[in-house]
Amino acid sequence: EAGVAQSPRYKIIEKRQSVAFWCNPISGHATLYWYQQILGQGPKLLIQFQNNGVVDDSQLPKDRFSAERLKGVDSTLKIQPAKLEDSAVYLCASSLVRTDKQFFGPGTRLTVL
Amino acid sequence: AQKITQTQPGMFVQEKEAVTLDCTYDTSDPSYGLFWYKQPSSGEMIFLIYQGSYDQQNATEGRYSLNFQKARKSANLVISASQLGDSAMYFCAMTARSGYSTLTFGKGTMLLVSP
Repeated sequence: EAGVAQSPRYKIIEKRQSVAFWCNPISGHATLYWYQQILGQGPKLLIQFQNNGVVDDSQLPKDRFSAERLKGVDSTLKIQPAKLEDSAVYLCASSLVRTDKQFFGPGTRLTVL
Repeated sequence: AQKITQTQPGMFVQEKEAVTLDCTYDTSDPSYGLFWYKQPSSGEMIFLIYQGSYDQQNATEGRYSLNFQKARKSANLVISASQLGDSAMYFCAMTARSGYSTLTFGKGTMLLVSP
């Protein structure tokens, strides 16, 4: 069974530029999560989808971050414009149901210069 | 609100020895789940073990066991017979079972296994 796929693995941009990350969850997983993990900290949830609907985006900086999950399968997370403090690893995870164990992708390491 | 506390920034253990990684939690929800994840240097979060708040027995998965003490609100991870490949960051996390409560992580513990 294929795991959670993410791309790109690494991205370096300058501040005020835009960037987008892609995630393809495990087949059949209805719930998809995006996390931000700053160096030295645990992951922090940015947004949670149930199928193609948002169920929690309370910690998403909506002035610069956006995410969508069209057709309830893969998802994109966008940052526009990026700030220095957005440098982090962005992890995508999926689960069968919202409280089931979550399976994580390899993450995208973003560096904002 | 949920909170996870991991008080050990780093732990050292010799190969083949057992090690305990501490985790305490706080929640007002009567029903919740506790998780441990391993994050090697490659960055991927690997699920290790799960304990439900109403489970009578402590969870075990191979060399991993979860020492669940509900009254003390602790969920320590025990790794038996440590291996060099166990060197990684370990995160304790929890989720409440009511509503759409999210997975809350602790700050993690770095485990180094020496030969």
